[in-house]
Amino acid sequence: DVKVTQSSRYLVKRTGEKVFLECVQDMDHENMFWYRQDPGLGLRLIYFSYDVKMKEKGDIPEGYSVSREKKERFSLILESASTNQTSMYLCASTWDIQETQYFGPGTRLLVL
Amino acid sequence: SQQGEEDPQALSIQEGENATMNCSYKTSINNLQWYRQNSGRGLVHLILIRSNEREKHSGRLRVTLDTSKKRSSLFITASRAADTASYFCATDRNDMRFGAGTRLTVKP
Repeated sequence: DVKVTQSSRYLVKRTGEKVFLECVQDMDHENMFWYRQDPGLGLRLIYFSYDVKMKEKGDIPEGYSVSREKKERFSLILESASTNQTSMYLCASTWDIQETQYFGPGTRLLVL
Repeated sequence: SQQGEEDPQALSIQEGENATMNCSYKTSINNLQWYRQNSGRGLVHLILIRSNEREKHSGRLRVTLDTSKKRSSLFITASRAADTASYFCATDRNDMRFGAGTRLTVKP
């Protein structure tokens, strides 16, 4: 059974802290994605990766970076968290960029 | 970006009624997907329909695709309270983009 896990369901951080959000998939998928979801704005793509050590910017990469050192793990990094990064963060993976995406349960991040 | 735009933004119906949600997109696609999201959770894939298909079924779900109008519709037959969720469409083109979704409420 397909599984995408995210390191935390809820996270509270302070402004200026460095934040790591981890995503792990067990399906040997090439492609992984990070989205943020805010009320009324839907899902917005932050970054995606189509292979180990490869990354592409999405629509809103500012203030974020990513790391893909191993195929199964895709990390989202907030170098210096700000209050406007309070959001729900969703990770997804897929074997083919045009096919079904499998989502993790999401991490709700609150930056104080 | 190849983003889908869902309408209506919100839909409220009684249990047993049918629900219809729509998705518009702007350029040519290879496929279109519908996803469901229960409150505070990740998205779950429902149906993928390819550009050469016009209709697809999965249980109580039916999806249509009109490539000439660049429009897809998701129909839920005999809705249940458990169908209460947000529904999103997404299209391909190198990467997937999602609209703001339709918030469906099914009242028992």
